[in-house]
Amino acid sequence: IAGITQAPTSQILAAGRRMTLRCTQDMRHNAMYWYRQDLGLGLRLIHYSNTAGTTGKGEVPDGYSVSRANTDDFPLTLASAVPSQTSVYFCASSEGPGANVLTFGAGSRLTVL
Amino acid sequence: AQSVTQLGSHVSVSEGALVLLRCNYSSSVPPYLFWYVQYPNQGLQLLLKYTTGATLVKGINGFEAEFKKSETSFHLTKPSAHMSDAAEYFCAVSGPGGGADGLTFGKGTHLIIQP
Repeated sequence: IAGITQAPTSQILAAGRRMTLRCTQDMRHNAMYWYRQDLGLGLRLIHYSNTAGTTGKGEVPDGYSVSRANTDDFPLTLASAVPSQTSVYFCASSEGPGANVLTFGAGSRLTVL
Repeated sequence: AQSVTQLGSHVSVSEGALVLLRCNYSSSVPPYLFWYVQYPNQGLQLLLKYTTGATLVKGINGFEAEFKKSETSFHLTKPSAHMSDAAEYFCAVSGPGGGADGLTFGKGTHLIIQP
């Protein structure tokens, strides 16, 4: 079934550790996104990529980095995790930046202690 | 720049009653408007969208929404609630540029269905 695969599903992490959340899509979508979801705050855009080889900052990019080496993969890295990064992270994709009908992954729940 | 306000973090209705979830938006360009639904422990799924044309938009599971430019609103309705409608609902607005100007989400409304 075509879609987005995120890994891990859930992770507990000590503060200061490095963590990479993986995201792979098999729909050949050009645009990909990382959101974080926090209770009462909805979804906030962390980083995005309109096409392979390009990335951009969203609303809450500090403490996160991304890369887009190819069309399918869009990993999100926390270089040195802090407790405020405890959240549920969603990867999403769309055919193009203007299409904006997003397909979401199932999410990665990250707890930073 | 754009923003979305969803009125009511929680809405409770009886099974069979009308569902009304409110969404107001702000956008400096003609908006694209969306409603997404999130069931527990899942990602978001598209319910319906408005881009251009007919202002009354029908979506999946019997939901519909009406774009009212004069009121900057895009409220979501369903004539008769079902227990399976219990979920988190997000309104979102986008300009045509995508990327960082892509989807901006509201904070969500948790729909509770009373038996």
